[in-house]
Amino acid sequence: DAGVIQSPRHEVTEMGQEVTLRCKPISGHNSLFWYRQTMMRGLELLIYFNNNVPIDDSGMPEDRFSAKMPNASFSTLKIQPSEPRDSAVYFCASSPRGGPGSTEAFFGQGTRLTVV
Amino acid sequence: GDSVTQMEGPVTLSEEAFLTINCTYTATGYPSLFWYVQYPGEGLQLLLKATKADDKGSNKGFEATYRKETTSFHLEKGSVQVSDSAVYFCALSDPYNNNDMRFGAGTRLTVKP
Repeated sequence: DAGVIQSPRHEVTEMGQEVTLRCKPISGHNSLFWYRQTMMRGLELLIYFNNNVPIDDSGMPEDRFSAKMPNASFSTLKIQPSEPRDSAVYFCASSPRGGPGSTEAFFGQGTRLTVV
Repeated sequence: GDSVTQMEGPVTLSEEAFLTINCTYTATGYPSLFWYVQYPGEGLQLLLKATKADDKGSNKGFEATYRKETTSFHLEKGSVQVSDSAVYFCALSDPYNNNDMRFGAGTRLTVKP
């Protein structure tokens, strides 16, 4: 398996534009997580899904952020409109759901977003 | 809710020094515990894990023991190398809480020759 695949790897956009980040989880994994990483705040959980259903989106900063998982092999994180303070590295991770001991997360390489 | 607290960095050590990075957790259920490592420009990689009390996870000379009585999972290595320079994250996953996965803030380690 190729692992978790994120696209694009880098994105530079102007303030006010819509940004869409994409993630393909590892096949067979039931849980998918979106994280944001900045120097100031470290690694923050934005939202996670189990079996394509959003379980906890309390980490989503505001209404400008939205995430979808239309099927088991694809998820998007959208920011509309984008602002300079959204600049960060966004990671997607997936995990096989199950009982104890089977819940490690596998991370993608991340998307570095710069909003100017 | 579940949370992880880890030692603030940055940590700077000389090669061959002993490393400890403290991590404590709060969880409603019986979580699995993890240490992840992030090298510059890369995503997080699993370093080691433990799934129940008194389990010891180990990999690449790093070790951590799941201590339920102190709710801790401290990372140790007896002799660090320059190549160990990275950011280390403690994390927990609570399978009894919808598989919620939480990370600590990360500790940056720099090892000097």
